[in-house]
Amino acid sequence: NAGVTQTPKFRVLKTGQSMTLLCAQDMNHEYMYWYRQDPGMGLRLIHYSVGEGTTAKGEVPDGYNVSRLKKQNFLLGLESAAPSQTSVYFCASSYSDSGRDYNEQFFGPGTRLTVL
Amino acid sequence: QQPVQSPQAVILREGEDAVINCSSSKALYSVHWYRQKHGEAPVFLMILLKGGEQKGHEKISASFNEKKQQSSLYLTASQLSYSGTYFCGTETGNAGKSTFGDGTTLTVKP
Repeated sequence: NAGVTQTPKFRVLKTGQSMTLLCAQDMNHEYMYWYRQDPGMGLRLIHYSVGEGTTAKGEVPDGYNVSRLKKQNFLLGLESAAPSQTSVYFCASSYSDSGRDYNEQFFGPGTRLTVL
Repeated sequence: QQPVQSPQAVILREGEDAVINCSSSKALYSVHWYRQKHGEAPVFLMILLKGGEQKGHEKISASFNEKKQQSSLYLTASQLSYSGTYFCGTETGNAGKSTFGDGTTLTVKP
């Protein structure tokens, strides 16, 4: 199993450009998440999904959009990148257990994004 | 509302013990702990659920006080490999919506 993979690993954008980050998991997990992590800080939830075709806003959703058309993929889009979106982006997934909604999250390796 | 972790940083010698705390202003359904080494992704350590269920790492223990809305991670007989930043994540009701603290940096020296 590859676990959680993210594409690309690094990216440099100019202000105003757009891009899509791809997250894929092969563990048949129901839940998927996008976080951003700024230097020396914790993880901030951008958007999350509790199943195929559903998405919800996290703590810092402004400037980002997401889609979950297939259960194994969760896409994060930046329509018009800004320098404030320079960060490391982590994708994660977790499973849904009967009788228990909260389980450990498995993280991808991260995407380092710089917006000039 | 993100949980508050304390201390922000701690330095230990090999073999010493450490406690990292995580507190929330809201009622918690679960608390989970992760360790992140520099330049790497967070790795799961422990999850504690309302009602007492626990699941996690063999050499690391944790407690969850539901009434005080607090959790503590206990690292005993620390090893060099324990160095890293420890994060607690909490769920307060919405299934799937996790909130993380800003982390505690642990440095273990020989």
